[in-house]
Amino acid sequence: EPEVTQTPSHQVTQMGQEVILRCVPISNHLYFYWYRQILGQKVEFLVSFYNNEISEKSEIFDDQFSVERPDGSNFTLKIRSTKLEDSAMYFCASGGLLYNEQFFGPGTRLTVL
Amino acid sequence: KQEVTQIPAALSVPEGENLVLNCSFTDSAIYNLQWFRQDPGKGLTSLLLIQSSQREQTSGRLNASLDKSSGRSTLYIAASQPGDSATYLCACTGNQFYFGTGTSLTVIP
Repeated sequence: EPEVTQTPSHQVTQMGQEVILRCVPISNHLYFYWYRQILGQKVEFLVSFYNNEISEKSEIFDDQFSVERPDGSNFTLKIRSTKLEDSAMYFCASGGLLYNEQFFGPGTRLTVL
Repeated sequence: KQEVTQIPAALSVPEGENLVLNCSFTDSAIYNLQWFRQDPGKGLTSLLLIQSSQREQTSGRLNASLDKSSGRSTLYIAASQPGDSATYLCACTGNQFYFGTGTSLTVIP
C-alpha cells in the first residue's frame, strides 16, 4: 500500500541553523501539507501546497519557513534560522483531491539546541 | 478561528466494552471531518473521513457521525480491544485544518 515517507526521522540542530525536512508524498497525490506537533500539544497546520504554490498557510508559517517541490517526488520544508521553539514533530501529509482524505507520514522529530 | 475540542481527554475501559469519543467544533463551515489515531511517537493513521454532506461513515468496528448544525462528531468503537489503545484525534477541514486536543484511550485486557 502506498505511503508517505519522511526523512530524517530525527534531526538535531543548533539554534540559528537552517534545516530541511524531506517528504515523499504518495505518487499520484496532488495536495501536500505540513503540520507540526509540539510535545504534549495539538497538531497544528502549517501550510498546504498545490500546483507548485502555497494555497493556504497558518500564522505559524512566517518568513522563516518555506516549502518547495524540487522535483516530481519530493516535498520539502525549510526552516531558515531555527529557534528553540521550533523543536517539534513535523508531519507531512498528502491527498489526492481537495478537501479529501489526508495521509500522514511518520514524522520528523526536530530538536533545536 | 475554528476551535476543536475533544472530550474526554483520557478514557480507560475494559476490553469488550463499546465506547464513544466526542469532538466538537465552533465553526460549522467545514468541508469534512476526519478521525485519526496516533500511537506514541508515531504518525497519524486515518480512520474515517466524513464529508460535510454526509451524516456518518463506518469502517469495521468504527462508526463516525457528523452533525454540522450542532458542531459535533462522535466516534463509536464497538467491542474494544487492547490494540485500540492510542490517542484519537479529530480534524476539521475548512480553509485551513484544525485538530482537536485528542482523547487518550486505554483498553484494559
